Amino acid sequence: DGGITQSPKYLFRKEGQNVTLSCEQNLNHDAMYWYRQDPGQGLRLIYYSQIVNDFQKGDIAEGYSVSREKKESFPLTVTSAQKNPTAFYLCASKITSYNTGELFFGEGSRLTVL
Amino acid sequence: KNQVEQSPQSLIILEGKNCTLQCNYTVSPFSNLRWYKQDTGRGPVSLTIMTFSENTKSNGRYTATLDADTKQSSLHITASQLSDSASYICVVSAMVSTGFQKLVFGTGTRLLVSP
Repeated sequence: DGGITQSPKYLFRKEGQNVTLSCEQNLNHDAMYWYRQDPGQGLRLIYYSQIVNDFQKGDIAEGYSVSREKKESFPLTVTSAQKNPTAFYLCASKITSYNTGELFFGEGSRLTVL
Repeated sequence: KNQVEQSPQSLIILEGKNCTLQCNYTVSPFSNLRWYKQDTGRGPVSLTIMTFSENTKSNGRYTATLDADTKQSSLHITASQLSDSASYICVVSAMVSTGFQKLVFGTGTRLLVSP
């Protein structure tokens, strides 16, 4: 089945630690995205990638980093510089960022900082 | 400023009843509008997409409308079921320079269908 797989589903982190969230897609999509979802707020764009080996900052990129070494993979690292990292993180993909087609989402990763 | 506002924030209805969710946007230049359904703790799933020239689009018991003049959309749910309990998110796409699609998300309406 084609889709987007995010892991882990739940993650706990101590303050000062970096964590990496995995996102893998087998939809053959060029564009991939990371969003952050907080209660009462709309999804906010962290980073996006339009093609392999290229990525751009979104609206709230500070404290996060990404890589896009393979078409199917777009991991997100939440660094210790992110001041309020507890949130629900969603990875998504589209055929291309210029296409009006559907944005497909993964099941999300919930990060809690202790 | 590109914005999408949804109302109500939350809604409780009895199973079998109908309801309508609202979405107002100030996104420009408008490309399309989608409604997504998000179950608690899951990723959003697309219900409908509407372009500038479309007024109504149905997907089973879900019917979306679009008034491009007033920049308003609604999602009507008919004969609600317990499984309709979820958040419904309105997403408007703006075509910015060179055709890049910028997505603007609403904060969602949380619907609870009660037995």
